[in-house]
Amino acid sequence: EAQVTQNPRYLITVTGKKLTVTCSQNMNHEYMSWYRQDPGLGLRQIYYSMNVEVTDKGDVPEGYKVSRKEKRNFPLILESPSPNQTSLYFCASSLNWGVGEQFFGPGTRLTVL
Amino acid sequence: DQQVKQNSPSLSVQEGRISILNCDYTNSMFDYFLWYKKYPAEGPTFLISISSIKDKNEDGRFTVFLNKSAKHLSLHIVPSQPGDSAVYFCAASGTNDYKLSFGAGTTVTVRA
Repeated sequence: EAQVTQNPRYLITVTGKKLTVTCSQNMNHEYMSWYRQDPGLGLRQIYYSMNVEVTDKGDVPEGYKVSRKEKRNFPLILESPSPNQTSLYFCASSLNWGVGEQFFGPGTRLTVL
Repeated sequence: DQQVKQNSPSLSVQEGRISILNCDYTNSMFDYFLWYKKYPAEGPTFLISISSIKDKNEDGRFTVFLNKSAKHLSLHIVPSQPGDSAVYFCAASGTNDYKLSFGAGTTVTVRA
């Protein structure tokens, strides 16, 4: 089944404790992206990747890091999480930029205390 | 500052009637527009899209209209069904901008 998977689905952590949210897609998509969803703000793009080893900032990249060492994986790293990073996070992928719609993962609910 | 705005946070409509969702954008470089639908505890799923070279695109019960001069698009759902109850996000992008900008979403409730 074609899908985007994220782990964990739920995470409660404390300020400053490094964490990684994994994202994997099995559709051989080149474009991958991370979003956060907050009430009243919709989805905002954090980082995106056009292909392996090619990443760039979205609209809200502060406090986040990403890497794209393999085509299928695009982990989101929070080196020192803060309470304002409490949010619902979505990973998405598409065949290529401008080719077809983006497929979204099920989301990761992160709470930073 | 949000470049894509959905000014109606919610919409309630009776089953069988038309749902009209509106979206405004400020960036004149946007040339591709999409609507996504989201159920609770799931990721958004693609619904319909439109390129700026068109002013209308139809897919079954869903039609998207684009008015470039007004920087406005709308999604029509006819007839509305209970399964259409969800949050709908409008999104936009530009050809040379590899990012997707979303609106805040409109929650649609279809009443039986």
